[in-house]
Amino acid sequence: GEDVEQSLFLSVREGDSSVINCTYTDSSSTYLYWYKQEPGAGLQLLTYIFSNMDMKQDQRLTVLLNKKDKHLSLRIADTQTGDSAIYFCAESILEYGNKLVFGAGTILRVKS
Amino acid sequence: DVKVTQSSRYLVKRTGEKVFLECVQDMDHENMFWYRQDPGLGLRLIYFSYDVKMKEKGDIPEGYSVSREKKERFSLILESASTNQTSMYLCASSSLASSSYNEQFFGPGTRLTVL
Repeated sequence: GEDVEQSLFLSVREGDSSVINCTYTDSSSTYLYWYKQEPGAGLQLLTYIFSNMDMKQDQRLTVLLNKKDKHLSLRIADTQTGDSAIYFCAESILEYGNKLVFGAGTILRVKS
Repeated sequence: DVKVTQSSRYLVKRTGEKVFLECVQDMDHENMFWYRQDPGLGLRLIYFSYDVKMKEKGDIPEGYSVSREKKERFSLILESASTNQTSMYLCASSSLASSSYNEQFFGPGTRLTVL
């Protein structure tokens, strides 16, 4: 079955790098995503990576995909207090409407 | 600016009540989704719809039903609310366009408490 796992909590100091890890099970996933949820808000897409890519960089964000190990990571460089949020890893399942399977979410706490 | 709106941010209901959660999107998206979010469990898919009057069960449909009479509106119905349905409910929509990366756009959520 489909399953996405990620660690539940990460605490870093402002200015440090944050690395959030995720493992998934469905090898047919076409896209993998990182969503961000700020307090009291819905989820917003932060970045995504197509399954035939190894890496994607977008300003302070670097996504690494190891398809063999089914491992996805999100690195946030120079982490700021505004990055404090819950980060969800998700994989796209090729069914009706491209269903997404989400992990439990990683709470990122940035200490100033 | 794309928007998914949900009818209430907070809702308190009593056990046994019928509850309607409404979601509207203004992006002409074909797909709409209802999730519930619980701490440590992430988002779990309740139902989704890929067209008007169409619906598909997600991973946890028991105790819920949905209605999609118009393309822009997707309603989640709790026929007889129970305390274990206390949760945050999130609605999302996405486009079927083949060129898109299938981003789902989320509403702000409805925090439902069932007493």
